[in-house]
Formats: sequence, structure tokens, C-alpha cells
Amino acid sequence: AQSVTQPDARVTVSEGASLQLRCKYSYSATPYLFWYVQYPRQGLQLLLKYYSGDPVVQGVNGFEAEFSKSNSSFHLRKASVHWSDSAVYFCAVSRNNYAQGLTFGLGTRVSVFP
Amino acid sequence: GGIITQTPKFLIGQEGQKLTLKCQQNFNHDTMYWYRQDSGKGLRLIYYSITENDLQKGDLSEGYDASREKKSSFSLTVTSAQKNEMAVFLCASTTGQSQNTLYFGAGTRLSVL
Repeated sequence: AQSVTQPDARVTVSEGASLQLRCKYSYSATPYLFWYVQYPRQGLQLLLKYYSGDPVVQGVNGFEAEFSKSNSSFHLRKASVHWSDSAVYFCAVSRNNYAQGLTFGLGTRVSVFP
Repeated sequence: GGIITQTPKFLIGQEGQKLTLKCQQNFNHDTMYWYRQDSGKGLRLIYYSITENDLQKGDLSEGYDASREKKSSFSLTVTSAQKNEMAVFLCASTTGQSQNTLYFGAGTRLSVL
């Protein structure tokens, strides 16, 4: 069965610093991979997604992610964070039965300090 | 664009009570989902529906019922609320194609006294 591991439950960074959030997945075939963000008291919003092609995908608000088949990873990056990037970030992979939607990681809570 | 509206935003119930959560979407999406979000446990699939009047159990369906009487709406019922239960229930929808970008509502926050 598919699974997603986000090894860091919490990350603290200073405003203007770079950010990397790690995601490892387990999937039997070529996966569809996603990063979502959840701001306080809101639902999840899509940051970016990967299906195929260029392993580096660009998303909204300056985020990008890099797919690595050899490492089964899909890490998220941002060159310079803003205080408004404080949120919970979820990595997700499509399920084998795609009608069942996505399997999500447990999320990484990011706190950006001035 | 579209929007997913979940009602109520906050729900306080008593132990043993039957509680109903509602979700409406205007994307005209075929597939809808109910997820439960607990602190530290991520999102877990409760029920999903691939079309009107279709219901499929997810990973956490015990203790819940669902209803999809219209394409635009998907309801979830907690059949017997558990004492001290606290969770956020998220509704989502998608076109149903394999790329599966899910769009989420803002959630219903449940507290059981």
C-alpha cells in the first residue's frame, strides 16, 4: 500500500532564510505527488503537484519541489520564507485506487520568526 | 473557480448523540470525500462518493454514515459521539480523474462533552 513519511513534525526558521521540508513516499508505480498547505482554521490548499517530466516543479508563492525516483522523495523548498508562510504542510501521494483520493503524510508545522 | 462550503463551522455535541455535518460544492465535481483530521495523525479517509447516490467506505468508516443525494452535496453523520472526542472533519472534492487534485473546505470542528 502507498504511504507518505514526513520525518519532521516541526520546523522553525527565521524570516528570509531558506526552507526545505522532507517527504518520502512508498508507491508501487509512478506516483502522482502533491504538496498542500493548511493555514490556521482553514482547509488544505494545493501548493504544487508532480505527474511526470521535469523533476523540479514550481508552485505558488515561490515554492518548488523536486522528485527523486531513486530516493522515493519529493522534498519541498523555498529560497526565502516570509512570516506568512507559517502553516502546516502536507505531502500526499495518489492511492492505488485513484478514486480513493490521496494518502497524506502527518504534516510538518512550520513557524517563521522575524 | 469554485468553493466548498462546510456547515456548521463548529459543532458541540453530547456523548451518544447523533451529529450531522454538511458539505456543498459548486465545482460540479463528481467525486467527494470526508476526511478526519486529528492532531498528530494527519488526514484519514472516512467515506467517499464517486457520483450521486454512490457511497464507498474509507479507512475509518466505523461509527459514521454518509449520504450523497445530490451531486453538489455530501453529508456525514457521526452515529454516536464519543465522550471527549475532538477532531476536524474536512470535506473535499475532485473531478475524479487520475491526477486527483483535491479541493478542500475549511472544515467542521467537533467537540464532544
